[in-house]
Amino acid sequence: KAGVTQTPRYLIKTRGQQVTLSCSPISGHRSVSWYQQTPGQGLQFLFEYFSETQRNKGNFPGRFSGRQFSNSRSEMNVSTLELGDSALYLCASSQQGGPNEKLFFGSGTQLSVL
Amino acid sequence: GQSLEQPSEVTAVEGAIVQINCTYQTSGFYGLSWYQQHDGGAPTFLSYNGLDGLEETGRFSSFLSRSDSYGYLLLQELQMKDSASYFCAVRDDYNKLIFGAGTRLAVHP
Repeated sequence: KAGVTQTPRYLIKTRGQQVTLSCSPISGHRSVSWYQQTPGQGLQFLFEYFSETQRNKGNFPGRFSGRQFSNSRSEMNVSTLELGDSALYLCASSQQGGPNEKLFFGSGTQLSVL
Repeated sequence: GQSLEQPSEVTAVEGAIVQINCTYQTSGFYGLSWYQQHDGGAPTFLSYNGLDGLEETGRFSSFLSRSDSYGYLLLQELQMKDSASYFCAVRDDYNKLIFGAGTRLAVHP
């Protein structure tokens, strides 16, 4: 079974631009969540999607958005990029997103904003 | 606010035992998980405690005390490959998985 796939692996953008990141979950997994990881800050929850609906949202500005498609693939978008958005963006999938389910993470997209 | 506290760094030698503590303060609690992340890699699931007590998986064990809002990850017979960052995470009332800032474990020969 293929793991969680994130594309692209690396991305360089300039301030003010927008970016779209893609995540393909493990086959059969319907829950996809996104995290921002910066050095020393751990993983900050962005949002979670289940069956094409946003089920949860973290404390990030409205510039961060996402969506999920009928095949459970998910995208996240960041508009009007700021220098502070430079981070590793991780997506994770699980079958139902239940409390005791383990998350399977992708390798992430490393975003650098110049 | 919601917070999980864990040490930022731990150093140990091969063959030793190390314990990584995690205390949490969250709105609701639906279990404590541990994840391992090697440099440049994806976080991978290690263990989950939904109830008080000890869970053992090979060389790794995890403990939870809900009354103390505390848990730990115990790594035995340390190997060089265990050098990584370890994150505790709590599922809160809103089913969000909240992560600690991570503990960087360095294992030396």
